[in-house]
This record gives sequence, C-alpha cells and structure tokens, in this order.
Amino acid sequence: NAGVTQTPKFQVLKTGQSMTLQCAQDMNHNSMYWYRQDPGMGLRLIYYSASEGTTDKGEVPNGYNVSRLNKREFSLRLESAAPSQTSVYFCASSDETVRRIFGPGTRLTVL
Amino acid sequence: RKEVEQDPGPFNVPEGATVAFNCTYSNSASQSFFWYRQDCRKEPKLLMSVYSSGNEDGRFTAQLNRASQYISLLIRDSKLSDSATYLCVVGQHNAGNMLTFGGGTRLMVKP
Repeated sequence: NAGVTQTPKFQVLKTGQSMTLQCAQDMNHNSMYWYRQDPGMGLRLIYYSASEGTTDKGEVPNGYNVSRLNKREFSLRLESAAPSQTSVYFCASSDETVRRIFGPGTRLTVL
Repeated sequence: RKEVEQDPGPFNVPEGATVAFNCTYSNSASQSFFWYRQDCRKEPKLLMSVYSSGNEDGRFTAQLNRASQYISLLIRDSKLSDSATYLCVVGQHNAGNMLTFGGGTRLMVKP
C-alpha cells in the first residue's frame, strides 16, 4: 500500500518548456487534488477532481491543466512553464472526509 | 487578510518545554479544523483533528474557539522529534470539501 505517489521528485525546466506531473493513489479514494506550496504562502489549490471524470479549478489554476485519467491517476500539466511556477507541487487524495493524504511532492524549478 | 493566519516563527524551545501555537481563521462558516505537521522537505501529514470541546492526543492538545475564530495547539514535554512546521487547516464541507491551509509555524526543539 504505497498511498499517494508522485513523479518526478525533482525537475528543472527552461521558460516555455512543457511537462506533466504524475500522481497515483492506491487507496480507492474518489477525490484527488493538486496543490502548490511557496514559502510563507501555505498550500494553494490548483485543481481538484471530486470523482473520476470530473475536474474543477481551485484557487490558482492559470497556467495549468489537469487530467483525471482514471480513479487512481490525476496528472498536472504545465503547457508553457514560467519562472512564477517554480514551486513544490503536492498531489493529495481523500475519501468522503475532508482529510487529505499527500504525496511526497515534486520540486520544480523554472529558469 | 489571509483566510488562515499563523505566526511563522520560528519558535525555539528547549527539550521538555511546553509550547503553544495559535491560528486565526476568517470564514465563520468553517466546519472542520485540523493541525498538520510538515517535516523539512516532506509532505504534510495529519497530526490531529480539532473538535469543539477540545481534544488531546498524548502530549498534544488542540482547542477551538468558534466565537473568536481561533484554534490552538499545545505541545507538552517537547521532544527533539517535534521539530517541524505545524500547519493550521480549516475546512468547509460544501464546495468539494475544500481546505484552506495556513502558512505554518516552525518549531525548533533544542537539546
């Protein structure tokens, strides 16, 4: 039982490059989330998926897209990376409660 | 004004000390409250939920004051292993079980 896994752990991009962050959970949770964490800002919600087949914008969706591939997997795509997207990205999942189980994070630097 | 505010610290305390953190929230409709712990360069993990009547888990005591809209966490007999950042988290059960995270309070326990 791995919980929530994320790949890659680290990534360096140049401005304008694209990439996809992968997330998978094996807890049969319906809901999945993508957050970014910046110093002093707290975790901010980018996108979430309340159930398979649905996605919704969070607080800071601009510059990102998501895909809920199936119940287990929820990916985050940066189409044209910008330095402002340098951050630590956390995927999370939850059952019907409000609690979140987080993945280990992806540290992204955009030069 | 941030929705969930915390003193960023750091709080530097000796082993064995008692330390308390406070957190204030602005949304009076908030329904669920948590403390998460985040170790350096790791993902947040649920420490404890916070109930209206207050609750205790070993050395940790959480209190909620709905009238004043603040939440507290008390740690007794601090251990070196308590060194971490403590995130105050507030949730609303509508709108997809959204959580709002505070920026965190950093605790450093010294020998």
